[in-house]
Formats: sequence, C-alpha cells, structure tokens
Amino acid sequence: AQSVAQPEDQVNVAEGNPLTVKCTYSVSGNPYLFWYVQYPNRGLQFLLKYITGDNLVKGSYGFEAEFNKSQTSFHLKKPSALVSDSALYFCAVRDMGSGAGSYQLTFGKGTKLSVIP
Amino acid sequence: EAGVAQSPRYKIIEKRQSVAFWCNPISGHATLYWYQQILGQGPKLLIQFQNNGVVDDSQLPKDRFSAERLKGVDSTLKIQPAKLEDSAVYLCASSPRLSGETQYFGPGTRLLVL
Repeated sequence: AQSVAQPEDQVNVAEGNPLTVKCTYSVSGNPYLFWYVQYPNRGLQFLLKYITGDNLVKGSYGFEAEFNKSQTSFHLKKPSALVSDSALYFCAVRDMGSGAGSYQLTFGKGTKLSVIP
Repeated sequence: EAGVAQSPRYKIIEKRQSVAFWCNPISGHATLYWYQQILGQGPKLLIQFQNNGVVDDSQLPKDRFSAERLKGVDSTLKIQPAKLEDSAVYLCASSPRLSGETQYFGPGTRLLVL
C-alpha cells in the first residue's frame, strides 16, 4: 500500500517569510501526489497535484510543491507567507482501492501551519 | 459551479442512538466518497461509489455503518448504533471519474457521540 508521512505536527513562520511544509512518500510505481488545505470548520480544498512532468508544480493561492524522486519527498512551499495561510495542510497519495479499477487517496496526519503577524 | 453539499453540519447524539448524514456531490460527478476524519488525523476512506454502485467498502464497519446512493446522485451515510469512538468529522467528496485524480470535498458533518 502507498503511504505518506508528514514529519511535523506544527510549523510556525513569520508573515512575509518563506514557508515549507514537508511530506515524504512511499509508493510502488509512479506516485500521484496531492496537497490539500483545511481551514477551521471547513472541508478540504485542493491546492495542487503531481502526476508527471515538471518537478515543480504550481497551485492555488501562490503555493507550489517540489517533487524529488531521489528523496521521495513532495514538500509544499510558498515564497512569502500570509496570516491567512494559517490552516491545516494534508499531503496525500493516490492508492489502489480494493474494488476493481478503483483508486483512493491516502492522507498524511496533517501539519498545522501558523503564520505569525 | 456549486460545490459538494452536506447536512447537517453538526450533530450531537448519545451512544446507541442512530444518525444519518446527507451528501449532494458536484453535478455530473460519477464518483462519490465518504471519509471519516478523527481529530488529529487525516481523513480515512469509508466507502466509494461509482454512480449508484459500491466500488470499495473494505474499510466500512458494516456492523454499524451503512451507505447508499440509490439514484446515482446524492448519498446517505448512516450509523446505527453509534459508539463513542464514532465521534469525528464525516466528509463527503466527489470526482468526475473513477480514477479520482482530484477529489472535491464538502464542508463535513461534525458528529459528537456522548
């Protein structure tokens, strides 16, 4: 089974500084990797995904992620953090489901990002 | 384009009672998912539908949980009887295709079992 790990429960960064939220993965075959964000009392919002192609993926709200095959990592980055970026961030990998032809997302535990004014 | 709708947003029940959650996916999305998100954890898939058929329910506790999507559009997830450990947020998501490359999530239903 595929899996992802988010080694940090919480990341604190000052507003205006660059931010990085870490994710490592374990897959067999080519990985399909995702980042989602969850604001308080709201569902998950899709930020970006890596399927194939350029290792640097650009997504919503100025976020980007770097796919690194040798380090099996897919870290989320933003050049300049905003207070409004404070939220819970989830890395996910597409995995085969038990049903024929089905796929599911397997999520990490999440990283809480706090951007300090 | 309207997003995934869920109701109710919050529910408090006592253990051994029953509860039902409703989800209406994005129009035209064939695939619908129900996830359970326990506090401090990532979402865990409970069941996946393709149109009105179940594709994967391997992680659904079938002794107490049931779900249906009778007309291939909206879906209901039921718990009967509820246990304390069922306290969680129940998320519904949909995607256009079975491959589910990008899933779109509703706001969730927060369940507290006392």
